[in-house]
Amino acid sequence: RKEVEQDPGPFNVPEGATVAFNCTYSNSASQSFFWYRQDCRKEPKLLMSVYSSGNEDGRFTAQLNRASQYISLLIRDSKLSDSATYLCVVNSQGAGYNTDKLIFGTGTRLQVFP
Amino acid sequence: DGGITQSPKYLFRKEGQNVTLSCEQNLNHDAMYWYRQDPGQGLRLIYYSQIVNDFQKGDIAEGYSVSREKKESFPLTVTSAQKNPTAFYLCASSSSGWGTGELFFGEGSRLTVL
Repeated sequence: RKEVEQDPGPFNVPEGATVAFNCTYSNSASQSFFWYRQDCRKEPKLLMSVYSSGNEDGRFTAQLNRASQYISLLIRDSKLSDSATYLCVVNSQGAGYNTDKLIFGTGTRLQVFP
Repeated sequence: DGGITQSPKYLFRKEGQNVTLSCEQNLNHDAMYWYRQDPGQGLRLIYYSQIVNDFQKGDIAEGYSVSREKKESFPLTVTSAQKNPTAFYLCASSSSGWGTGELFFGEGSRLTVL
């Protein structure tokens, strides 16, 4: 089982739609969670961190469910410019000192059409 | 402007040749990383360095080498021992390790081995 799993998509949605992505992680000791955005053939950029209480940034809402070990990203009122790949990233805690590292999911591709 | 600069953006090499990818940052970050991205796969960690003159192997270090002689620079050499070197290589840096999850990426280097 992969440490971080995402549905690769693509999710094809019309402008104005609401779309949600989930991401599951296998290491129950993971402490930090993030969503990155990657445009085609570009570098990833941090979109938002995911806090235990859930957090919102404009049209984007991120939530964490520790019991079921998944995080989600909700995008409301989709824009054409939201078309990208969304990477789920988990800070995976190792067994020893200073052994944590970031694990990147393979990404979920979103295509917003007019 | 502060950021990370990778060069070259595109590189073609023949099999059996070593190549070195440059990564320079002026963000005054202590930690730097090298990732590899292949189609349909998440970013995979090659090497990382949390401080000058120190670096650690990541998950796929075989066939690669790095150095960290200066805080600003973290070059990656892809050696002829790397079995499948054609990939998109991403360099990143962070101010405080993986804990915050915010990695700043360069624009990447696309290596094609003919």
